[in-house]
Amino acid sequence: EPEVTQTPSHQVTQMGQEVILRCVPISNHLYFYWYRQILGQKVEFLVSFYNNEISEKSEIFDDQFSVERPDGSNFTLKIRSTKLEDSAMYFCASSPWGGGYTFGSGTRLTVV
Amino acid sequence: AQKVTQAQTEISVVEKEDVTLDCVYETRDTTYYLFWYKQPPSGELVFLIRRNSFDEQNEISGRYSWNFQKSTSSFNFTITASQVVDSAVYFCALSEAGRGAQKLVFGQGTRLTINP
Repeated sequence: EPEVTQTPSHQVTQMGQEVILRCVPISNHLYFYWYRQILGQKVEFLVSFYNNEISEKSEIFDDQFSVERPDGSNFTLKIRSTKLEDSAMYFCASSPWGGGYTFGSGTRLTVV
Repeated sequence: AQKVTQAQTEISVVEKEDVTLDCVYETRDTTYYLFWYKQPPSGELVFLIRRNSFDEQNEISGRYSWNFQKSTSSFNFTITASQVVDSAVYFCALSEAGRGAQKLVFGQGTRLTINP
């Protein structure tokens, strides 16, 4: 069964450093998403992406964040200058036309 | 705005007991999808079910069953004869049912512990 692949599974970074989280969505999916889950809390929507542009973003998705689909397969989330409060599990997801969601297994980001 | 409420923060039962996880939602959309996900200690989100708002039939899958009541905006999840492997955090979620990008709105989750 096709899956969404996220790398790395765990990343530790120094506060103030830039970090890029990588995702390979399912190949025939059209819509791509990033979600965040702070430890012990609910999963929160960050951003959706379609046709090479952001279709919706949440209040959390401020200027520190950016997304990109640099080639035909990867979908990345960049955090420009990480803060301690950016420590969380980040999930990538993709969906086809007409609905249906597939989540990746997540990247646990730890900012120290 | 859409909202999902899972009032039960934690539930603890003894193995083989039946347990129901509650989910209440709010939306102004006339068509929408409801989901349940399981998050085991390893952290991934495991898809359990997606239900279209037009389909109010209850669903059963093995020991799992779901009760969708549009009149009370609830989509409850029951595990029959619970097992230790069912221990996890369970999330209910809601999305608009359109053809574009559809964000999921999650509830706070219910941590379920099944004791041997």
